[in-house]
Amino acid sequence: ETGVTQTPRHLVMGMTNKKSLKCEQHLGHNAMYWYKQSAKKPLELMFVYNFKEQTENNSVPSRFSPECPNSSHLFLHLHTLQPEDSALYLCASSQGLAGATSDTQYFGPGTRLTVL
Amino acid sequence: SQQGEEDPQALSIQEGENATMNCSYKTSINNLQWYRQNSGRGLVHLILIRSNEREKHSGRLRVTLDTSKKSSSLLITASRAADTASYFCATGKSGGYQKVTFGIGTKLQVIP
Repeated sequence: ETGVTQTPRHLVMGMTNKKSLKCEQHLGHNAMYWYKQSAKKPLELMFVYNFKEQTENNSVPSRFSPECPNSSHLFLHLHTLQPEDSALYLCASSQGLAGATSDTQYFGPGTRLTVL
Repeated sequence: SQQGEEDPQALSIQEGENATMNCSYKTSINNLQWYRQNSGRGLVHLILIRSNEREKHSGRLRVTLDTSKKSSSLLITASRAADTASYFCATGKSGGYQKVTFGIGTKLQVIP
């Protein structure tokens, strides 16, 4: 266990549904990340939060809406998704301290999302 | 893009053999990390090497970094069936909180 949990582990939703993915980290980290992993493609960074502030939005469509209420929790709200959004969604966290020489990310197990 | 690109994309070896995976990147980096991912699971951090380091060891893992060639290699010695996984390199451009960029990965299969 890496100290990062994600729920649900599997999710099947229709294109008109609204659902949310949840990530929680128990490591005392300050930075949290959402990644999308599709088959045969590099891991795509979607959003980054540092000290609850969004610092990166990697041109993600508005049908994905992140929320970071505190440094331990990160959500990804989904609505009106497309079948091509089906993928493994990974959450990660890191210390996120300015001035540090490196910053290792710790990943959750992911949510396997299928959009019908 | 500083994206790392792993090579080969797939590798199949017998248990006990050594496995070598390579990573190339395009821009200057502060550090390079290797991660492992078992099928359908999250990534697990293996080892980090800084730009001023040339080689690093961790158990059966050996990582080298050649900043002049913008490349890194991961060697797994005496492979085991449990090493079967995908391996990714991730490049970081600056220290501290940073955006790291992952490659497509090398899928390693270790045959018992």
